[in-house]
Amino acid sequence: EVKLVESGGGLVQPGGSLRLSCAASGFTFSRYEMNWARQAPGKGLEWVSYISSSGSRIYYADSVKGRFTISRDDAKNSLYLQMNSLRVEDTAIYYCARDADSPSGFDYWGQGTLVTVSS
Amino acid sequence: QSVLTQPPSVSAAPGQKVSISCSGGSSNIGKNYVSWYQQQLPGTAPKLLIYDNNKRPSGIPDRFSGSKSGTSATLGITGLQTGDEADFYCATWDSSLSVVLFGGGTKLTVL
Repeated sequence: EVKLVESGGGLVQPGGSLRLSCAASGFTFSRYEMNWARQAPGKGLEWVSYISSSGSRIYYADSVKGRFTISRDDAKNSLYLQMNSLRVEDTAIYYCARDADSPSGFDYWGQGTLVTVSS
Repeated sequence: QSVLTQPPSVSAAPGQKVSISCSGGSSNIGKNYVSWYQQQLPGTAPKLLIYDNNKRPSGIPDRFSGSKSGTSATLGITGLQTGDEADFYCATWDSSLSVVLFGGGTKLTVL
């Protein structure tokens, strides 16, 4: 069974940092491209970042570029999102999502972890 | 405001059918595959309904269908059930921006 479990969320002050983790199981993690997406309270889904299976290709939404860093550790079957210079508008539930083995689609999602940026 | 435009809400009676549109541009829908997601409650994990414009993952009933024409895509749902009430999102890659785009979401109400 494919499972994605996020952790690392919490309350942080504006300008602070957090590191989110996503533990993957039930599939060969190293073969898959991975993503982070988020959903602010009362808002729609927003894609945040993508990393290829090799880690050589990485993309970010403009809203987080230069502040967030995506990475992966295939030995630990884990995906990470380092979030620096956090802003109030980064408050959201953060999901990790696996790229489907096809041109499009995120076929598995974690349950999400809540990040709250507030003073 | 999202680059991909969806109607904020649609509604229909049980047993009826509904279509949800997703309008984009030449660098996103016009050039790339579209996927659709169902989110039963905000804050819960979305579920993939349609990928590669019109393919259904295993376990998704054939009441759900997807199509694409030019720079627009459509999700169709037939035989509506009260359990179908949810928020629906389209998504695609934008080749010019090198980002994944989500539509703003459409809330389905089954009256």
